[in-house]
Amino acid sequence: QKEVEQDPGPLSVPEGAIVSLNCTYSNSAFQYFMWYRQYSRKGPELLMYTYSSGNKEDGRFTAQVDKSSKYISLFIRDSQPSDSATYLCAMTQGGSEKLVFGKGTKLTVNP
Amino acid sequence: DGGITQSPKYLFRKEGQNVTLSCEQNLNHDAMYWYRQDPGQGLRLIYYSQIVNDFQKGDIAEGYSVSREKKESFPLTVTSAQKNPTAFYLCASSIGHNQPQHFGDGTRLSIL
Repeated sequence: QKEVEQDPGPLSVPEGAIVSLNCTYSNSAFQYFMWYRQYSRKGPELLMYTYSSGNKEDGRFTAQVDKSSKYISLFIRDSQPSDSATYLCAMTQGGSEKLVFGKGTKLTVNP
Repeated sequence: DGGITQSPKYLFRKEGQNVTLSCEQNLNHDAMYWYRQDPGQGLRLIYYSQIVNDFQKGDIAEGYSVSREKKESFPLTVTSAQKNPTAFYLCASSIGHNQPQHFGDGTRLSIL
């Protein structure tokens, strides 16, 4: 079983839809969780950073962590064509200098 | 503006040639990382460095070498021993343990 699993998609939605992106993981020691957005031919850009379980909201983005299920989610409300990108989840455990990344989900928001 | 600068954006390598990818950061971050990104494979860690003059191998270090002589700079050399070097190379930095990494905009390396 891979440490982090992420559905590669592609995912295609109409403008204004609510998007749900998800990752599952196997290492119960993971405590720090991140979501990155990567546009084509660019480096990943940090969107959200959360510690342990719970929700965090930033504008149209909400990150959710369920440690009991080893499952994290990123919700995008009122999706825009500019949200079209690949979304990567990443996580790490306390004291670790390395992140473990999902392979990314490619999202297209159609006008 | 603080950030990470990778150069060049595009690089071509001839067979048997070593090439060096540049990564510079002005974020005053201690830790720096090199990743390789291939379609469908996600990010794979090549080398990382927690402090000047020290670095560790990642998951796919064979055929690559690095140096960390200055805090701001972490160049990656792709040697002729790397038989499949065509990929998108990403450099990142972070403040330290448990912290998010911040990425440059990558160098795309191709073989002539």
